[in-house]
Amino acid sequence: NAGVMQNPRHLVRRRGQEARLRCSPMKGHSHVYWYRQLPEEGLKFMVYLQKENIIDESGMPKERFSAEFPKEGPSILRIQQVVRGDSAAYFCASSRRVSGGAGTDTQYFGPGTRLTVL
Amino acid sequence: KNEVEQSPQNLTAQEGEFITINCSYSVGISALHWLQQHPGGGIVSLFMLSSGKKKHGRLIATINIQEKHSSLHITASHPRDSAVYICAAETSGSRLTFGEGTQLTVNP
Repeated sequence: NAGVMQNPRHLVRRRGQEARLRCSPMKGHSHVYWYRQLPEEGLKFMVYLQKENIIDESGMPKERFSAEFPKEGPSILRIQQVVRGDSAAYFCASSRRVSGGAGTDTQYFGPGTRLTVL
Repeated sequence: KNEVEQSPQNLTAQEGEFITINCSYSVGISALHWLQQHPGGGIVSLFMLSSGKKKHGRLIATINIQEKHSSLHITASHPRDSAVYICAAETSGSRLTFGEGTQLTVNP
């Protein structure tokens, strides 16, 4: 059973370009989470998705950022018109069901995509 | 004040020492996670707990819900344990709020 897959592992973009980050959850996992780690800072929650639904996007910047998790295929984090401040490591995690509470399940992290904006 | 605070920020130990990393949180949680981030950047989930104590090999995690405090212990530490250890509070809706991490260095 392969782990959480993210691609690309490294992405370089120039200011103003678009960045697309992909996350394939573990087999059987229908919950996906995106986190961002800015240089020298801690991890921050961005968005939580289930298949075809955005459950919580409270951590996502209001502009330029969007996320989706279609019925088929990987989850996509899209950043339009990138700026230097978007340079960070973006981690995806997945779980079988909602973490916490009675139906607890851990989140498994992917290796991350390191985005560099020139 | 951060919702999740860890101490210490940096910890250096000699091989074989018993290590404790502390985590305090100020929000209501459904679970508390401990993660390990390797020098290369990869993240591994170590524990998820909502009460009591869990043990996996040389690692032990405890949580006191009333005091809103959790600890991660490493027994018989080894240089390969060197990493950043991160505490994360899971609130309703599965959102994780992370501590700043504890950089652990274990010298041979």
